Amino acid sequence: EDQVTQSPEALRLQEGESSSLNCSYTVSGLRGLFWYRQDPGKGPEFLFTLYSAGEEKEKERLKATLTKKESFLHITAPKPEDSATYLCAAFRIDRGSTLGRLYFGRGTQLTVWP
Amino acid sequence: DTEVTQTPKHLVMGMTNKKSLKCEQHMGHRAMYWYKQKAKKPPELMFVYSYEKLSINESVPSRFSPECPNSSLLNLHLHALQPEDSALYLCASSQEGLGGYTFGSGTRLTVV
Repeated sequence: EDQVTQSPEALRLQEGESSSLNCSYTVSGLRGLFWYRQDPGKGPEFLFTLYSAGEEKEKERLKATLTKKESFLHITAPKPEDSATYLCAAFRIDRGSTLGRLYFGRGTQLTVWP
Repeated sequence: DTEVTQTPKHLVMGMTNKKSLKCEQHMGHRAMYWYKQKAKKPPELMFVYSYEKLSINESVPSRFSPECPNSSLLNLHLHALQPEDSALYLCASSQEGLGGYTFGSGTRLTVV
């Protein structure tokens, strides 16, 4: 069964306290692993796509990495404005189709306090 | 500015009303999606349109009726909804076969 699991469910950090969010997946035929940021009442905002094990991408204080079984989102010296829910999603192409779908994890709710 | 525009941003409707949610994208994407998201839960796929044809229907009740008038527009027609249908409805688009989905800001729907 295709599954994406994120941990922890919630994370509270003091400003400047670096940490990592985990996304483990069991998705057959994975075509890509996506990270999104979502603010309350808003749509998910795209952050990163990772396609192969060993790949890393960075954007400001965020760095995403991918292995064959999991992905990490590292947050270096976070600021209060980084507070949001971070969603991980695995992308797979349906068999016999050119279409794919995203399998979302339940998200990690990050709170950064001053 | 988001590249996928959803209107309205908020909607309150009674259980006997008929309303429509609208979504527009101008990125040339040929796949468009409707998702439903409840509080503190991940988005759940409802419908997928590919080249303006309905390709995936995730067994959504018939009180939700999607429509794709052209490659840039996607509508979701609502009729006889239940209070448990209250949620954030998200539209997304992508190049077919690629996972780079772009989401709209969503429509917050409340059914009373």
